[in-house]
Amino acid sequence: ETGVTQTPRHLVMGMTNKKSLKCEQHLGHNAMYWYKQSAKKPLELMFVYNFKEQTENNSVPSRFSPECPNSSHLFLHLHTLQPEDSALYLCASSQDRSRAFSYGYTFGSGTRLTVV
Amino acid sequence: ELKVEQNPLFLSMQEGKNYTIYCNYSTTSDRLYWYRQDPGKSLESLFVLLSNGAVKQEGRLMASLDTKARLSTLHITAAVHDLSATYFCAVDESGGSNYKLTFGKGTLLTVNP
Repeated sequence: ETGVTQTPRHLVMGMTNKKSLKCEQHLGHNAMYWYKQSAKKPLELMFVYNFKEQTENNSVPSRFSPECPNSSHLFLHLHTLQPEDSALYLCASSQDRSRAFSYGYTFGSGTRLTVV
Repeated sequence: ELKVEQNPLFLSMQEGKNYTIYCNYSTTSDRLYWYRQDPGKSLESLFVLLSNGAVKQEGRLMASLDTKARLSTLHITAAVHDLSATYFCAVDESGGSNYKLTFGKGTLLTVNP
C-alpha cells in the first residue's frame, strides 16, 4: 500500500447511473489530484485541490464532479457518463507546493471504470 | 502547453542487455520524475531529479537530467525479467500556481528470458 487508498477498485456502471469514487490519504499531504488514464493516451490531469480548495479544473465535462471535504479525502462523483469515459481513474496526493517538488506525487491504485 | 515525449513507447529486450529510454520536454523545468507502473497497479516513484546534471541510481536503473537539452534518460543495465513494467517520466511545470506534473505516454518495457 502506498498510503493513498482508492475505492472501489473496479466499477461497472450504466450511462444513466450515478456513482462515486473515493480517495483517502493519511500522509499529511495538503494537495490531492484526479488523473484519468486511458489506453494509448498520456495520463490526463482532471482536478487539483490544495488545502481543500479546487485550484484547477482541466476543462473536465460537468458529468464529473469532484468533492474535497478535507485534506485527507477526495471524491469524484459520476453521472450520465459515456462509454468513452471508461478508463483507470487515479488519485494522487502531494505536499503543498512549497515542499512537493522534492518528493513528487504518491498515487493510489486506481479505480478501473467501465461504462456500459 | 508543456509537452512530454518519451521514446520508445514499446521496448522488448533480452535479459542481460542494456538500453536507454528517453524523455524530452518542451518547456523550462529542472524538476523531473520517473515512475514505474506494473499492470493493474499504482504508479511507484523511482527517481526525483531536481537539477541540471542530476544522476540517480537504484539497482539496474540509472536516471539523469540535462535541463539545457530538456532531456532525461533512464538507463537499464543488464536487464532482468522483474524490470518488465511501464515507465513514465513526468515534468513539473515550474512557475505555476499549482504543483502539478505532466506525464509522458509511458514506455512499456518487456524483458524476455
